[in-house]
Amino acid sequence: DSGVTQTPKHLITATGQRVTLRCSPRSGDLSVYWYQQSLDQGLQFLIQYYNGEERAKGNILERFSAQQFPDLHSELNLSSLELGDSALYFCASSQVYNSPLHFGNGTRLTVT
Amino acid sequence: TQLLEQSPQFLSIQEGENLTVYCNSSSVFSSLQWYRQEPGEGPVLLVTVVTGGEVKKLKRLTFQFGDARKDSSLHITAAQPGDTGLYLCADPGGGADGLTFGKGTHLIIQP
Repeated sequence: DSGVTQTPKHLITATGQRVTLRCSPRSGDLSVYWYQQSLDQGLQFLIQYYNGEERAKGNILERFSAQQFPDLHSELNLSSLELGDSALYFCASSQVYNSPLHFGNGTRLTVT
Repeated sequence: TQLLEQSPQFLSIQEGENLTVYCNSSSVFSSLQWYRQEPGEGPVLLVTVVTGGEVKKLKRLTFQFGDARKDSSLHITAAQPGDTGLYLCADPGGGADGLTFGKGTHLIIQP
């Protein structure tokens, strides 16, 4: 058990809809990262937060947004969903920027 | 941010055999991490290698970091079905961009 909790585990929704994925980091970790994993692209970095502030952006679409709250949990919002957004979405946390990441077990998003 | 090439992409072998998987880049790594991901779970860190020429052992797994710090390998001795999973190498880069992952090697160990 990594200590990182992601909910929900599975999500099925229709094109055009909006969903929110939630992540609770490991106790004591200030940094939260979001990744998207698909078979063809592998694990792609989306965005990182550190202690409530956005720290780095990767390949995150404009339709996607995230935030980290004062209690350090984070949410990833995906809107105007397309079929191609179907993927596994992972949250990871770490104590500081360069320390190893601890991943949650992901949210599997299926857009129909 | 550098691209990480992992090979082979897929590998299926019998229990008891040895295997090696590779992670390469055209640029120098400051350090390199190896993760294993099992179906339905997130990646789990196996090891971090930092120094060129470094060798780290984790039971039957041996990790090597190339002298030039542009490549790394993972060797598994006497593979077991429990070794089945996706093996990922990752570059911490400058630290502010998250980890850059290779696409991984899908390893299946057949009983």
